[in-house]
Amino acid sequence: QVQLLQSGAEVKKPGASVRVSCWASGYTFTNYAMHWVRQAPGQRLEWMGWTTADNGNPKYSQNFQGRVTINRDTSASTAYMELSSLRSEDTAVYYCAKSMIQGVRSHFYAMDVWGQGTTVTVSS
Amino acid sequence: SYVLTQPPSVSVAPGQTARVSCGGNSIGTKSVHWFQQKPGQTPVLVVYDDIDRPSGIPERFSGSNSGNTATLTISRVEAGDEADYYCQVWDSSSDHWVFGGGTKLTVL
Repeated sequence: QVQLLQSGAEVKKPGASVRVSCWASGYTFTNYAMHWVRQAPGQRLEWMGWTTADNGNPKYSQNFQGRVTINRDTSASTAYMELSSLRSEDTAVYYCAKSMIQGVRSHFYAMDVWGQGTTVTVSS
Repeated sequence: SYVLTQPPSVSVAPGQTARVSCGGNSIGTKSVHWFQQKPGQTPVLVVYDDIDRPSGIPERFSGSNSGNTATLTISRVEAGDEADYYCQVWDSSSDHWVFGGGTKLTVL
């Protein structure tokens, strides 16, 4: 079955960077877009960006522009999200989520399968 | 940027119908997706494209969308439906996916 398995919890100091990985299985990785969404404690879900299905082009939310890098390794069916210049407000659970529809426009469609989440704690 | 407004909480007795609203400017022109998130768990897609259900989601979950309000309706509510519910749309003007603030459904 389709699964997204994320890397483990991280504790980082302010100013550091964190990289979260998301290993996909059970489907053709390059046929679907991959999104990254985060959720701070008690807060709403917040979209961070995507990689497209075909060529893996990233697009970033303006809220994270300049601090986030999203890419993928198609040979490993793995997506990555790196967030830099961490601050306490970045403490959150970070999710990868696969688009529901395959194809070059799949990033415009619903997210049907989510990873289990990776807790990132930023603390001095 | 586009804003989606949800009531913070909705309460309903078991067996009754719960309605969770999601307000946005001309939201009826957009495709709305709904997620269920139980405490400590991953979000689960329960309705997509306003009215469709992914496989495995009970028929008790349905959606509608018109004008400035989209609604998630849960019929014959069960204790297991207690969760936070989030609406989501793609906003082409800002090129962003946007989530509502979430609604906590309490089953009395």
